[in-house]
Amino acid sequence: GAGVSQSPRYKVAKRGQDVALRCDPISGHVSLFWYQQALGQGPEFLTYFQNEAQLDKSGLPSDRFFAERPEGSVSTLKIQRTQQEDSAVYLCASSLGLRDILYYEQYFGPGTRLTVT
Amino acid sequence: KNEVEQSPQNLTAQEGEFITINCSYSVGISALHWLQQHPGGGIVSLFMLSSGKKKHGRLIATINIQEKHSSLHITASHPRDSAVYICAVLAYGGSQGNLIFGKGTKLSVKP
Repeated sequence: GAGVSQSPRYKVAKRGQDVALRCDPISGHVSLFWYQQALGQGPEFLTYFQNEAQLDKSGLPSDRFFAERPEGSVSTLKIQRTQQEDSAVYLCASSLGLRDILYYEQYFGPGTRLTVT
Repeated sequence: KNEVEQSPQNLTAQEGEFITINCSYSVGISALHWLQQHPGGGIVSLFMLSSGKKKHGRLIATINIQEKHSSLHITASHPRDSAVYICAVLAYGGSQGNLIFGKGTKLSVKP
């Protein structure tokens, strides 16, 4: 079946531009996660949704970062007024994650590589 | 100090060698993941474990909760195993979705 997909795969933005990154989770997956991975580093948690509810946004680095999942399926990560330090790969993952999601594996998308010039 | 430490950072092996990658963590955890990341960014979940040992093909993952340590073993390594292997933990008390990742171990298997 289809896995997690992300678009675009690559995005080049000029400093100050707004960008929107899309994640299509696996159909039926309740939980959705966004991670940021800087070059040479492990991913870092940004935010997590259970259905349409954003239950944790503690990892968002600034108020320029905003994520939504209005209908509990597709999610969009928006970055306003991009800065060079925003350059990274943005990974999305989903899991079946019902009431107790501690024991559900996460399935990762291919990522969106954002380069801010 | 990072909450999740992996060693080694880089590993080069000859085809057929037995490989061990280590992960130590400093927080109480609910579960630990081993992930594989190929060039281009795609991440695949290899194992999720909270105790004991799991085996899948040539891959074996073990965890010692008391020692806060996990290992990933690859038997009869092959060049196609070349990738970055990442350990990630789901900490007690944090958000259920908040994985804490190690920096990864870059493995290169030479033919």
